[in-house]
Amino acid sequence: GAGVSQSPSNKVTEKGKDVELRCDPISGHTALYWYRQSLGQGLEFLIYFQGNSAPDKSGLPSDRFSAERTGGSVSTLTIQRTQQEDSAVYLCASSSKGRLPLHFGNGTRLTVT
Amino acid sequence: AQSVTQPDIHITVSEGASLELRCNYSYGATPYLFWYVQSPGQGLQLLLKYFSGDTLVQGIKGFEAEFKRSQSSFNLRKPSVHWSDAAEYFCAVGEAAGNKLTFGGGTRVLVKP
Repeated sequence: GAGVSQSPSNKVTEKGKDVELRCDPISGHTALYWYRQSLGQGLEFLIYFQGNSAPDKSGLPSDRFSAERTGGSVSTLTIQRTQQEDSAVYLCASSSKGRLPLHFGNGTRLTVT
Repeated sequence: AQSVTQPDIHITVSEGASLELRCNYSYGATPYLFWYVQSPGQGLQLLLKYFSGDTLVQGIKGFEAEFKRSQSSFNLRKPSVHWSDAAEYFCAVGEAAGNKLTFGGGTRVLVKP
């Protein structure tokens, strides 16, 4: 079946603008994760959704970052007032019932100019 | 808190030679361990996983890894490397409850003809 789908694959934005990144998980997967991959920081956990439970937001780096998951499926990661340090690859993953392993999408490469 | 260390940032290996990538973890309980591979511009693909049982696990693409509790290690090996194995490799540890993963910093593998 289809894997995790992320869009756009690349996004260039100006500093101060808001951006939205989309993730469509594997059908039937109840858990969804966002990670950020940047030079010098490796892979950082951002946020985790599992079913109808309150999301684990412990990895969000600032209040400019937020995410929502509508209807238990598609998720949107929003970054407000983007800064150059937000430039990174944002990876989405999903898993069945919150059980490991995670299945990753190809990511969105965000460049803030 | 759990952590993962991949001591080698870069490794260069000749095609046909063997490859071993090191991974050490810190985790209080029995870990769930994973190796992922990332080709340029792609997301993370799961190579193999260890949950319990046999400490030598086989994965895709001819890779295997051995869990050694006494050394807190989960090293990845391949007997004969192909040019297509050039990529970045990430070791990760997860909680038994099965949510977020903590990743090592990655090892970039270059394959010489």
